[in-house]
Amino acid sequence: AQSVTQLDSQVPVFEEAPVELRCNYSSSVSVYLFWYVQYPNQGLQLLLKYLSGSTLVKGINGFEAEFNKSQTSFHLRKPSVHISDTAEYFCAVSAGRGAQKLVFGQGTRLTINP
Amino acid sequence: GAGVSQTPSNKVTEKGKYVELRCDPISGHTALYWYRQSLGQGPEFLIYFQGTGAADDSGLPNDRFFAVRPEGSVSTLKIQRTERGDSAVYLCASSSLAGAYEQYFGPGTRLTVT
Repeated sequence: AQSVTQLDSQVPVFEEAPVELRCNYSSSVSVYLFWYVQYPNQGLQLLLKYLSGSTLVKGINGFEAEFNKSQTSFHLRKPSVHISDTAEYFCAVSAGRGAQKLVFGQGTRLTINP
Repeated sequence: GAGVSQTPSNKVTEKGKYVELRCDPISGHTALYWYRQSLGQGPEFLIYFQGTGAADDSGLPNDRFFAVRPEGSVSTLKIQRTERGDSAVYLCASSSLAGAYEQYFGPGTRLTVT
């Protein structure tokens, strides 16, 4: 079985500052990793995913994440945030490629202060 | 094209009543998923369909919950004898082999049991 821990429930940052949202996972099998964003009153949108290959993956809106197998982590980063990045961010894992259920973390609320 | 749609967007019902929640996936998507998101939590997997059949229903919490997808497109999540603890946002997602099974989420149905 897989599980995901998002270490911070809330992260406040100033506009144009860098941000890192932390995610750790556990699994007994190879996993595929995802970050989703949920803007207020909207559905979940995929930011980026790691399936295989390069451990540094780039997504939409200037976000990137690094897969670290030894530390079982998949932290999300952005070098300079904007007010419009205010949202809830969810890390998720699936047991493999194909039609597989996603196991989500509890989410991190990113608040951008002007 | 059109994304995943869910109806109704909001549903208020009394404890003990029966409810149906509908999901219209992206046209051509063979896989369809239901998740439940309680306040302050990440989405939790309920069930997923590959075509008309339920490929994994391990997340359904008890036998009051049931889902169908009779023609391999629209799906209905059915909840009998609703309880206040069923109050949550119910999310639907769909995916396809052509899209490497990336899950696209609908806006959700907010269910409130009074």
